[in-house]
Amino acid sequence: AQSVTQLDSQVPVFEEAPVELRCNYSSSVSVYLFWYVQYPNQGLQLLLKYLSGSTLVKGINGFEAEFNKSQTSFHLRKPSVHISDTAEYFCAVSDSGGYNKLIFGAGTRLAVHP
Amino acid sequence: DAGITQSPRHKVTETGTPVTLRCHQTENHRYMYWYRQDPGHGLRLIHYSYGVKDTDKGEVSDGYSVSRSKTEDFLLTLESATSSQTSVYFCAISEGRIRENQPQHFGDGTRLSIL
Repeated sequence: AQSVTQLDSQVPVFEEAPVELRCNYSSSVSVYLFWYVQYPNQGLQLLLKYLSGSTLVKGINGFEAEFNKSQTSFHLRKPSVHISDTAEYFCAVSDSGGYNKLIFGAGTRLAVHP
Repeated sequence: DAGITQSPRHKVTETGTPVTLRCHQTENHRYMYWYRQDPGHGLRLIHYSYGVKDTDKGEVSDGYSVSRSKTEDFLLTLESATSSQTSVYFCAISEGRIRENQPQHFGDGTRLSIL
């Protein structure tokens, strides 16, 4: 069965510093990968997705992620964070064969401090 | 934002009572999903629908049932609520399959507390 591990439950960072949120998945088949963001008391918003092609994926709000098949990772990065990036971030995976079933990681809470 | 409305947004009820949560969409999307969100678990799929009257189980379906009699509405029912079902419930929709580059879009959630 597929699983997703987000290696950090919380990441504190100062404003304008770079950040990396780590995500590893386990799957023996081709996968589709996603990062979602959840602001307080809201639903999830899609940040970016990898379906195929270039392994470097750019998303909204200046975020990007790199798909590394050999390391089964899909880490999320931003070169300079803002206070408004404070939120919870979820990595999710879906295999290429089934219906639209998403398996989510437990989430990483990003706290940006002034 | 995708046109998804979840109701109610908050509900407190007692153990053993039936509870129905509603997800209404205005996008005419084929696929609809119910997830629950719990600390330390992220989101877990309860049930999903791939068309009117077509539904299937997700990874945590025990104690839940669903119905979809119209494209726009997907109902989640807890027949006899238990305290372990206290959670935040999210509805999601998608126009097509992920491999067709059709991602899922989420509603704002229903916070359910079972005392």
